Amino acid sequence: KAGVTQTPRYLIKTRGQQVTLSCSPISGHRSVSWYQQTPGQGLQFLFEYFSETQRNKGNFPGRFSGRQFSNSRSEMNVSTLELGDSALYLCASSTQGGNTEAFFGQGTRLTVV
Amino acid sequence: QKEVEQDPGPLSVPEGAIVSLNCTYSNSAFQYFMWYRQYSRKGPELLMYTYSSGNKEDGRFTAQVDKSSKYISLFIRDSQPSDSATYLCAMSPASGGFKTIFGAGTRLFVKA
Repeated sequence: KAGVTQTPRYLIKTRGQQVTLSCSPISGHRSVSWYQQTPGQGLQFLFEYFSETQRNKGNFPGRFSGRQFSNSRSEMNVSTLELGDSALYLCASSTQGGNTEAFFGQGTRLTVV
Repeated sequence: QKEVEQDPGPLSVPEGAIVSLNCTYSNSAFQYFMWYRQYSRKGPELLMYTYSSGNKEDGRFTAQVDKSSKYISLFIRDSQPSDSATYLCAMSPASGGFKTIFGAGTRLFVKA
């Protein structure tokens, strides 16, 4: 059974640019959640999508957005990048969004210069 | 004060040692308590979870929850070099992942 796949694995962007990250969940999983991981703040919840609808949202500015497609694949977009957006972005998939059944991808390491 | 506090370490132990990893929290509404292991350049992997108080054992791993003290622990017996990783505690008031609060993680090194 294939795991959660995130692409790309690494990205370097310049301040002010925008970036799109992709997450393919485990087959049959309808919930995809996105997290930002930094050394200072740890893992912080960005948003969750379930059946193409944003179901929950964390405390991040509107520059962070996402969407989910009919095949459950999800994308996350960050516009007007800031240096502080440098982080590991992780997505997790599950069947219903429960925290005891989520599987994480390997993450996308974003560096903003 | 953060809702969940976890000593970042690093914690270095010899192979075969018993490892104790801990987290404290302030929100008495937390009901689900989880431990994740994260290897370098990998995503977190759920090790164990406990609902409410008590102990749970899985092989060399034991998770303990003391809700009266707002304190959770993960014990690793007979630690192996392959246990070297960052261990994240996490907790939530309900089963929904979006309410999960993660600790900052403790880096563990097990020396052969």
